[in-house]
Amino acid sequence: DVKVTQSSRYLVKRTGEKVFLECVQDMDHENMFWYRQDPGLGLRLIYFSYDVKMKEKGDIPEGYSVSREKKERFSLILESASTNQTSMYLCASSWTGGHIQYFGAGTRLSVL
Amino acid sequence: ILNVEQSPQSLHVQEGDSTNFTCSFPSSNFYALHWYRWETAKSPEALFVMTLNGDEKKKGRISATLNTKEGYSYLYIKGSQPEDSATYLCAFLINSGYALNFGKGTSLLVTP
Repeated sequence: DVKVTQSSRYLVKRTGEKVFLECVQDMDHENMFWYRQDPGLGLRLIYFSYDVKMKEKGDIPEGYSVSREKKERFSLILESASTNQTSMYLCASSWTGGHIQYFGAGTRLSVL
Repeated sequence: ILNVEQSPQSLHVQEGDSTNFTCSFPSSNFYALHWYRWETAKSPEALFVMTLNGDEKKKGRISATLNTKEGYSYLYIKGSQPEDSATYLCAFLINSGYALNFGKGTSLLVTP
């Protein structure tokens, strides 16, 4: 079974903190994605990566950065967390070519 | 941002009812249309990936159709069961991109 693991299910941080959300996949997928999900807004793409050290901005990259040093790991970084980044964050991975995405369980982040 | 519309936003049916949802997407530059099911406290899971106009896919009591020329897909659930309660997401992939564009989802509640 494909496994996409996110490091935390729940996280509480203070405004201004630097926050790292980690995602690891075990299927050698080329593509990895970070989304956030907010009520009434659906899944919105923050960043994605199609190869090691490669990244592309999604629809809402402001306030975020990413790192993909190894194929299996894709990190989302909140450089200085703000309250409007309180959300559910989902990581996903897939093979190239429009294949289905496999999702992690999500991290519910609260920024106080 | 590509506009993917799903309707209805939410639906409440009785066990045994059959139901259907709609996903509308831009008909130009079509590559693939995905359907996912997202149950509460779980990860989104892929139901179908459809690529050809006229495609019909079936998995148990759930089926989907695709019309790429007019830009819509229908998801049907026959004889709904309480375990079908979930949010159903459709996502659209253009031919030049790696990232899916998700609709806001249809939230289905099936009561006994």
